[in-house]
Amino acid sequence: QLQLQESGPGLVKPSETLSLTCAISGGSISSSSWWSWLRQSPGKGLEWIGEIYHTGYTNYNPSLKSRVTMSVDKSKNYFSLNLNAVTAADTAVYYCARDFVVRAVKLYFDHWGQGMLVTVSS
Amino acid sequence: DIQMTQSPSSLSASVGDRVTISCRANQSISTYLNWYQQKPGKAPNLLIYSASTLQTGVPSRFTGSGSETDFALTINSLQPEDFATYFCQQSYRTPRTFGPGTNVDIK
Repeated sequence: QLQLQESGPGLVKPSETLSLTCAISGGSISSSSWWSWLRQSPGKGLEWIGEIYHTGYTNYNPSLKSRVTMSVDKSKNYFSLNLNAVTAADTAVYYCARDFVVRAVKLYFDHWGQGMLVTVSS
Repeated sequence: DIQMTQSPSSLSASVGDRVTISCRANQSISTYLNWYQQKPGKAPNLLIYSASTLQTGVPSRFTGSGSETDFALTINSLQPEDFATYFCQQSYRTPRTFGPGTNVDIK
C-alpha cells in the first residue's frame, strides 16, 4: 500500500527557507505518477503548490513560482519542497500527495501524507 | 485560475438525512471535478473523481453529479462517520484549485 510521509522543521523564521521532504513507501517515485505538494491554512484553504515527475520536470503554481523549488531523490525514493523568503502567510499544514494520471491527464490526488504543520515565526 | 465555490459553507443534519452539497466553477471544466472528505487533523480523502465515479472503497451512499460548471455531491442516509468537511477540486487546468469547503455537522 502506497504511503507518503512528510518531514522537516515545524518552525521557520521569517525570510528564511522552508524545506520539507516526502518519503514514499510501498511504491516507487519512478512510476508514471506525478508527485505534488499542497498546503492548507484557515485563510487560504487548500492550495496546490506544485508537482514534480521523477525525471525532475516540474510545474508550479504561478502564485508561488518565484519562491518554490522541488526536487527528487530517486535513490532514496523521496521528493522535496523548498519555499524561500517565507512570511507568516506561509504558515500552514503542508501535504505531499500522489497525482493519479490517466492518459497523461492528472486526474486527482489519491494518496496523501498525514500533513505537517509549519509555522513561520521569529 | 479557475475559481471554485461551494454552497452551503456549512450545514447541520441528522443521521439518516439526505444531504446535497453544491460546487460551481467559474468556467467550464467538463467533468474534471473531484470530491474529498476531510476529518479534523487528517488529510483529505478522495471520494469521487471525474464528477461521478466513486473511488474504490467509498460507500455507495455517496454520489456525484454534474458537468461543465455545476456539480453536486449527495450523501444518502447520512452516517455518523460522514460528519466532516467536504471539498471539491477541479483538475481541468493547472493550477488545480479547490472549493472553500462545506462543513457537515450534527444537528
